[in-house]
Amino acid sequence: GAVVSQHPSWVICKSGTSVKIECRSLDFQATTMFWYRQFPKQSLMLMATSNEGSKATYEQGVEKDKFLINHASLTLSTLTVTSAHPEDSSFYICSAPRQEEVLGEQFFGPGTRLTVL
Amino acid sequence: QKEVEQNSGPLSVPEGAIASLNCTYSDRGSQSFFWYRQYSGKSPELIMFIYSNGDKEDGRFTAQLNKASQYVSLLIRDSQPSDSATYLCAVNDSSASKIIFGSGTRLSIRP
Repeated sequence: GAVVSQHPSWVICKSGTSVKIECRSLDFQATTMFWYRQFPKQSLMLMATSNEGSKATYEQGVEKDKFLINHASLTLSTLTVTSAHPEDSSFYICSAPRQEEVLGEQFFGPGTRLTVL
Repeated sequence: QKEVEQNSGPLSVPEGAIASLNCTYSDRGSQSFFWYRQYSGKSPELIMFIYSNGDKEDGRFTAQLNKASQYVSLLIRDSQPSDSATYLCAVNDSSASKIIFGSGTRLSIRP
């Protein structure tokens, strides 16, 4: 199957700092990537859809100024959590469909566990 | 609000038996249906997809789709302890370029 990587796999930061998470599709090009957040024992929550060369589409209730998304190339999307606070501590996961025509066949990165102190 | 509903479980099944996981969805326009498996602390992985009414088999897994009833299911035959995980049902959003995930069913296979 297709490979999606994320970096870092975990990060601990102080409240008020910004954290950048990278998502890369290693063996295919991804015009679209998705960013999810998952709190312990809860379901995946779609935060935003990242589109190469254009602005991201954010889900209702997700602050676009707090969660900055940049899809700079066909293999890289980044999520920056600005001025992180303890309530932002979560498991952040990106995904990408190998084929744009079949968005549901998504390949997920391994996730980034963010802890804000 | 488009929804995908799953019983959260846990569903406990003895090793070697058939595990049956169910899902209903609200978007009548959905055409694509997916099952993902998520182990604790890991990210989801795609295990099955189905686009047409009826059954689709892949190894020990069978996906079943009934669009009229807006119902999708996943059967796991000869359940193994390694099948213990949370299974997420997902369907495409017919009016947006994204898929909608259910909250997942936690499956536990007891030896």
